[in-house]
Amino acid sequence: GIQVEQSPPDLILQEGANSTLRCNFSDSVNNLQWFHQNPWGQLINLFYIPSGTKQNGRLSATTVATERYSLLYISSSQTTDSGVYFCAAAYSGAGSYQLTFGKGTKLSVIP
Amino acid sequence: NAGVMQNPRHLVRRRGQEARLRCSPMKGHSHVYWYRQLPEEGLKFMVYLQKENIIDESGMPKERFSAEFPKEGPSILRIQQVVRGDSAAYFCASSHALGTGEAFFGQGTRLTVV
Repeated sequence: GIQVEQSPPDLILQEGANSTLRCNFSDSVNNLQWFHQNPWGQLINLFYIPSGTKQNGRLSATTVATERYSLLYISSSQTTDSGVYFCAAAYSGAGSYQLTFGKGTKLSVIP
Repeated sequence: NAGVMQNPRHLVRRRGQEARLRCSPMKGHSHVYWYRQLPEEGLKFMVYLQKENIIDESGMPKERFSAEFPKEGPSILRIQQVVRGDSAAYFCASSHALGTGEAFFGQGTRLTVV
């Protein structure tokens, strides 16, 4: 099956700093999503981005499908951005679109 | 995300008991997925269902675990004779259609086996 690798595994930022999180995937994908898991365990959808670039406030994401990677940019980070960021990818094998998750990037934003 | 409803949020079971986890997908969604998250790990796919059909259960343990999505009512993930290793967070996701694959997740059920 598809492999998803995320880097860095851990990241500590001063409030106000910018960061880039990377997601590499091993095969063609039909679906790529970024999630934020907050300290309470909730999974928040950030982007559905199998290709191209999207922006939502201080967050933006770019997926280059031909080169099999996606980037998540966080600008002017805030303490509420802390948590784990997951990238997940899916391919249309056997009629199922289940997502394969990376191991996540644990972000800590300190005041 | 708030549209996918899971209950209970927390569930404590003694070894050997049964656990039943429920998931109501977002309105208009007919595809349901269950994932398991062990501590400090990412989510792992378990099973994909449509109404009255199991489409892909390649991630389900062979024994003690079963899932259903009946014509009426929520999807159920059932774990029989729970063991301590079943302690995890179980997430349900739903999507609108196979071709529009964006998945939305519920808040999860945290199962603790004592």
